[in-house]
Amino acid sequence: NAGVTQTPKFRILKIGQSMTLQCTQDMNHNYMYWYRQDPGMGLKLIYYSVGAGITDKGEVPNGYNVSRSTTEDFPLRLELAAPSQTSVYFCASSPPGDSSYEQYFGPGTRLTVT
Amino acid sequence: GQNIDQPTEMTATEGAIVQINCTYQTSGFNGLFWYQQHAGEAPTFLSYNVLDGLEEKGRFSSFLSRSKGYSYLLLKELQMKDSASYLCAVTDSNYQLIWGAGTKLIIKP
Repeated sequence: NAGVTQTPKFRILKIGQSMTLQCTQDMNHNYMYWYRQDPGMGLKLIYYSVGAGITDKGEVPNGYNVSRSTTEDFPLRLELAAPSQTSVYFCASSPPGDSSYEQYFGPGTRLTVT
Repeated sequence: GQNIDQPTEMTATEGAIVQINCTYQTSGFNGLFWYQQHAGEAPTFLSYNVLDGLEEKGRFSSFLSRSKGYSYLLLKELQMKDSASYLCAVTDSNYQLIWGAGTKLIIKP
């Protein structure tokens, strides 16, 4: 199993550009998440999904959009990139069920907006 | 509001024991996780506590007191590879994970 994969690993965007961060998991997990992590800060939940066709906002959804057309894929779309979106973005997945299941993280995408 | 507090940074010596504390105030409680995150890498799962008491897993142990809103991660026989950030996270009443900012642990020879 590859686990959770993310592309690209690094990206530099100009203000106002758009991009899609890709996330794929091969563990057949129903739950998937997008987080951002700013230097010296904890992870902040952007969006999450409990299954294909279902998405919901997390703590910091503004400026982002997601879709979940398959169990495996959970892309994150940035429209009109702003310097405040400079961060490290992690995708994670977990099995369904109770809250005891750990989340498995992808390697992250390091995004700089200038 | 929801809040998780951890020390920003700790230093310990190789071979010693270190305790990393975490206090939380969240809307509801459905479990507490500890994750390890090496610099430039993704977090990886260390432990989960939902009932009061100590959970031991090799060199790492995690303790929870729900009445005090308090947990700690105990690392024994420290190794240089234990140099990392340790993240405390609580599952709230909406079953979402609330994350602390992490404790950067520096191990010295």
